[in-house]
Amino acid sequence: DIQMTQSPSSLSASVGDRVTITCRASQSISSYLHWYQQKQGKAPNLLIYAPSTLQSGVPSRFRGSGSGTDFTLTIDNLQPEDFATYYCQQSYSIPHTFGGGTKVEIK
Amino acid sequence: EVQLVESGGGLVQPGGSLRLSCAASGFTFSSYWMSWVRQAPGKGLEWVANIKQDGSEKYSVDSVKGRVTMSRDNAKNSLYLQMNSLRAEDTAVYYCARGYWYFDLWGRGTLVTVSS
Repeated sequence: DIQMTQSPSSLSASVGDRVTITCRASQSISSYLHWYQQKQGKAPNLLIYAPSTLQSGVPSRFRGSGSGTDFTLTIDNLQPEDFATYYCQQSYSIPHTFGGGTKVEIK
Repeated sequence: EVQLVESGGGLVQPGGSLRLSCAASGFTFSSYWMSWVRQAPGKGLEWVANIKQDGSEKYSVDSVKGRVTMSRDNAKNSLYLQMNSLRAEDTAVYYCARGYWYFDLWGRGTLVTVSS
C-alpha cells in the first residue's frame, strides 16, 4: 500500500497568514493527489484534485502543487472559515489511502 | 438537490452484521463510481471500498476483505455496504462518496459502533 505522510500534523496560524501543508507519498503517484477540508463534525469537502485543479466553488486562495512523491497545499490570506483539518489522498493505486491530516488552528 | 444520505448505522455486538445504505439524488447515479470512506472516532479518513457504475468491478481495503460486500441498485439510486463479522476496530462514521479518483460529493455519514 502507498503510505501518505502529511506534515505538520497541526499548526497554529493567524487570519491573513499563508499556510503550507505538505504531503509525501511512499512511492511516486504521478499527479493522482487530492486535498480535502474537514470541519469538526462535518463530512470532508473536496478542495483540489489532480493535484492543482480547484474544485468548483472553492476560493482561489487555496493552491495545490507537486508531482511524483511531494505535494503541497497552500492557503493564502487565511480566513476564519479555513480553520479545519486538511487531508491529502492518493488514487494512483488501490487502496486509495489518505494522509493522517493536518489540523489548522487559530493562533 | 444533489446529495447522498446514508442510513443503517447503529450499535452492534462484535461478530455481528450490519447493512449500510446510501440514497443518492439530484444526479445520474448510474454514471458514477461510488465509494465508502470511514473515520474512526477522533481519527483520520480511511478508504474502505468502491464499486463501478454497473457493479462489475469492486475493490476494498485488505482490513475488510472477506467481511464486507459493496453493491448498488441503479434503479433505486442506492448504494449498499453489507458488513459481517464486525470488530471493535470497525467502529467509525461511514461516509458514502461519489467518485473513483477523488470524491466530490459526500454524505453526512452514519455511525457504526461495535461493542458488547
